[in-house]
Amino acid sequence: AQRVTQPEKLLSVFKGAPVELKCNYSYSGSPELFWYVQYSRQRLQLLLRHISRESIKGFTADLNKGETSFHLKKPFAQEEDSAMYYCALVSGGYNKLIFGAGTRLAVHP
Amino acid sequence: ETGVTQSPTHLIKTRGQQVTLRCSSQSGHNTVSWYQQALGQGPQFIFQYYREEENGRGNFPPRFSGLQFPNYSSELNVNALELDDSALYLCASSFRDGDGYTFGSGTRLTVV
Repeated sequence: AQRVTQPEKLLSVFKGAPVELKCNYSYSGSPELFWYVQYSRQRLQLLLRHISRESIKGFTADLNKGETSFHLKKPFAQEEDSAMYYCALVSGGYNKLIFGAGTRLAVHP
Repeated sequence: ETGVTQSPTHLIKTRGQQVTLRCSSQSGHNTVSWYQQALGQGPQFIFQYYREEENGRGNFPPRFSGLQFPNYSSELNVNALELDDSALYLCASSFRDGDGYTFGSGTRLTVV
């Protein structure tokens, strides 16, 4: 079964600390993975996708096929990073997104 | 402004009633998908439309139906509402396959 697992509901860190939001997936074939972010009172928006291999707002994510993971990392967290983060997998010929349950990142001053 | 707008923002309906939610996609976005997000969960795929034809469906019963129109607007219809249908309903559009989706702000539906 195709599935995305985000094991942590809440990740609480202090400003300047490193952050790693975990995402594991189950998918047969070559996965296409995304991270979406939802800031308070804002809509869900694309943060990054593994195909582009880019860094957005200091965040990076590397696809590890051996461990079936796509963890989101940032070396130094900022208060404005506080948000809900969702890992998502594109599935099927019509490209539906399968989302994890999300991790709330809280960055404290 | 992302260009995907949904209406209404909030809605309260009674069990058994029918509801229509609306979405206006970004111009040129031929693909529109609808998602249901229950409290504390990630969005779950309902169905997708491409050029006015349904081309994918998630694990939702037939009382969830949709339409897509040539002007890039779309509708989600839910018949015989149940209490468990209470959720945030998200519309997402994409220019083409493989692009990241642009999401609307959602419609929060409460069924009482």
